[in-house]
This record gives sequence, C-alpha cells and structure tokens, in this order.
Amino acid sequence: AQSVSQHNHHVILSEAASLELGCNYSYGGTVNLFWYVQYPGQHLQLLLKYFSGDPLVKGIKGFEAEFIKSKFSFNLRKPSVQWSDTAEYFCAVNQRGSYIPTFGRGTSLIVHP
Amino acid sequence: DTGVSQDPRHKITKRGQNVTFRCDPISEHNRLYWYRQTLGQGPEFLTYFQNEAQLEKSRLLSDRFSAERPKGSFSTLEIQRTEQGDSAMYLCASSQRLAGGPGGEQFFGPGTRLTVL
Repeated sequence: AQSVSQHNHHVILSEAASLELGCNYSYGGTVNLFWYVQYPGQHLQLLLKYFSGDPLVKGIKGFEAEFIKSKFSFNLRKPSVQWSDTAEYFCAVNQRGSYIPTFGRGTSLIVHP
Repeated sequence: DTGVSQDPRHKITKRGQNVTFRCDPISEHNRLYWYRQTLGQGPEFLTYFQNEAQLEKSRLLSDRFSAERPKGSFSTLEIQRTEQGDSAMYLCASSQRLAGGPGGEQFFGPGTRLTVL
C-alpha cells in the first residue's frame, strides 16, 4: 500500500528563517503530488500541486516544492517565513489514474515574530 | 459563500446512538469525498462518489458506516451504534473530474467534529 512520510512533525522558526518540510512517498509508479495547508481555524486548502512537467513547482504565498523522482520526495520550501505561515502542512500523493490521495500525518509549523 | 459546507460543525453523542452528517459540495463538482481525521494525523480516506455513484470505500469504513449521495449533489454520512473510537473530525471534500485530466485539486469543508461519550 502507498504511504506518505512527513518526518518533521513539529517545526518552530523565527520570522525570516528559511523553511524546508520533507515529504517522501512509497509508490514507485507515476504520481500526482500535493501540499495542503490548514491555517488556525480554517479549512484545508491547496498550497501547490505537481502533475507533470517542471519538477520545481511554485505555489501561493511564496511557497515552492521540488519533485525528485529518484528520491521519491516532494519537499516544500520557502526562503523566508512569516508569522502568518503558522499552520499545519500536509503532503498528499495519489497514483496516476486514481483519485484517492494518501495524506501524510502533517507538520505543525510555528513561526515566532 | 460558494465553498464546501458541512453540517453540523460539532456533534456530541452517547455511545450506541446513530449520527448523520451532511456535506454540500461546490455545485459544479462531480466528485465528493469523505475523510476522517484524528489528532496528530492527516485525513484518512473513507469513501468517494462520482455524481451519485459510490465508487470506492476504504477498509476503514465498517458496516456501521454508510454514505449516500442520492441526487449527485449533497451527501450524507451516517454512523450507526457509535463507539468512542469514532470520535474524530469528519471532513468532506469535492473536486471536478475533467475528462482525461489528472484529477484536480480537492476543496475541503470545515469538517464535523464528533465526540462520542
């Protein structure tokens, strides 16, 4: 069965620090990849997605992610975080041809002003 | 607000009682998903519909759980004879399947938090 690992469960940063959240998946075939974010008191919402093409994907609010197929990874990055980036971040993967994503357990990010 | 809505937002019930949750997806979306999320975990897939057809159910979905989407619009999730282990956030999401497309992003509702005493 497919699995998604997010190794950083809790991350605490100061504003302006750089961010990288890890995401690894187990499926060896073609995949679609997503990062979702849940701000305090709000719904889960899509941050960015990768289906094909350029493996460096840019999303909203200055976030980007890089798909490295050989490493089965889709790490999320932001060069300079803000207090407003405090949220839960979830990586999700679905096999191409399936519409059912598998989510990682999430990473809680706290950014101190 | 044209997003996904869920009702109720919170439900407290006693063990053994039945509960029903409702989800109203984004109107033009033909796919609807139910997930369960517990503290410290990501959403776990329960079931999904394309229009009114229930296409797949997770092994997590025991016989006590049933979901419907009778007219391809709103959906209900019923849990019979609730157990304390059913306490969780139940999330609904919808998406638009485009012919030949990769599947599209999912739009999530606010969830229904169930507490079983």
